[in-house]
Amino acid sequence: GAGVSQSPRYKVAKRGQDVALRCDPISGHVSLFWYQQALGQGPEFLTYFQNEAQLDKSGLPSDRFFAERPEGSVSTLKIQRTQQEDSAVYLCASSLEWGHFSGNTIYFGEGSWLTVV
Amino acid sequence: TQLLEQSPQFLSIQEGENLTVYCNSSSVFSSLQWYRQEPGEGPVLLVTVVTGGEVKKLKRLTFQFGDARKDSSLHITAAQPGDTGLYLCAALSSGSARQLTFGSGTQLTVLP
Repeated sequence: GAGVSQSPRYKVAKRGQDVALRCDPISGHVSLFWYQQALGQGPEFLTYFQNEAQLDKSGLPSDRFFAERPEGSVSTLKIQRTQQEDSAVYLCASSLEWGHFSGNTIYFGEGSWLTVV
Repeated sequence: TQLLEQSPQFLSIQEGENLTVYCNSSSVFSSLQWYRQEPGEGPVLLVTVVTGGEVKKLKRLTFQFGDARKDSSLHITAAQPGDTGLYLCAALSSGSARQLTFGSGTQLTVLP
């Protein structure tokens, strides 16, 4: 497609359940980012991939969070044993070139809304 | 961690009014970006400012980067209901090419 595609758009999980969120970046984009956005807040960085390499995972809040991009295109963010504090919108973004820099536009998907009950 | 403070947090105005929102930090940034996010959507890039003192215009929106590259403002002239949304500033530090730090945003509502 023309933009960053995320699925599912909405997910309700019971506490303790594992969830997997998928991101299809724009074709050919090297860089892929995951952000977490709590209600009424700005997005917070989770992790970054350059092609299939996860170069920065400093924002992952705990070892229950795991992300992969095995073939350098589609990425999956997995959350194990979900907790209520994991409820948020998970945004995926991609860019054509390496990293964030002023000449490199980042395109965001619509997000996956996770509610843990 | 670089903190970006945005003000006001909420702003509700009538169509046709002018407004300014602010983004401030104690850190120096190599560049700063402004995004608009509508409900149920991801943020969309509006502008990137790079040079201290830089002013960029996008139709009725005017963006300014502070001389010291620590702060920025967004001014909207003659606001329209279509301007309604969450305005986010985001910054790249001089040391990191990967992490974009966002402010908490200004939720703007323009009433018809």
